[in-house]
Amino acid sequence: SQTIHQWPATLVQPVGSPLSLECTVEGTSNPNLYWYRQAAGRGLQLLFYSVGIGQISSEVPQNLSASRPQDRQFILSSKKLLLSDSGFYLCAWTTGTSSYNEQFFGPGTRLTVL
Amino acid sequence: AQSVSQHNHHVILSEAASLELGCNYSYGGTVNLFWYVQYPGQHLQLLLKYFSGDPLVKGIKGFEAEFIKSKFSFNLRKPSVQWSDTAEYFCAVNAGQGGKLIFGQGTELSVKP
Repeated sequence: SQTIHQWPATLVQPVGSPLSLECTVEGTSNPNLYWYRQAAGRGLQLLFYSVGIGQISSEVPQNLSASRPQDRQFILSSKKLLLSDSGFYLCAWTTGTSSYNEQFFGPGTRLTVL
Repeated sequence: AQSVSQHNHHVILSEAASLELGCNYSYGGTVNLFWYVQYPGQHLQLLLKYFSGDPLVKGIKGFEAEFIKSKFSFNLRKPSVQWSDTAEYFCAVNAGQGGKLIFGQGTELSVKP
């Protein structure tokens, strides 16, 4: 069966420090991968999605970036964190680009920027 | 641009009460609609989904939702809630292009025993 992992589970970082969040998927190949941010009272906001290795689409201009160095690995990064980057970051995957496909979500990373 | 609006941010009910959570979307083309649920301390998971056909969709744990195209709505219902239904509920629309989901703001449901 397929599983999705995210780490770390929680992270507290100072403003201006770098960030690297990792997401890996097991049990499937060539998944579509997504990064969402969940801020209190604001639902889930799609940040990036990827349909293949090295292919990244950005949905919201910001100081975050994403990379997909391997088929089942998706990384969210920042060179300098802002206070507004605090939130709950969720990784998700699905198979194919059909809109019929359900997305499966990871456990998330709680990021606090101080 | 597509958008999803959930009318209630926080709903508090007693056990056995009926539930209806509102969801409206903004998109003129063909849409696929989802309700996701996030129980405390658990992953976000799919509750139910609508693609085509019967506009009344049944999901897990006794939940159902009705797609009303003329109203651009996809409201979630349950006739009798339980304490275990306490969770945050998200409505989402998928309008194609990479399988992206556009989520609403979420509704926090608290069920009092």
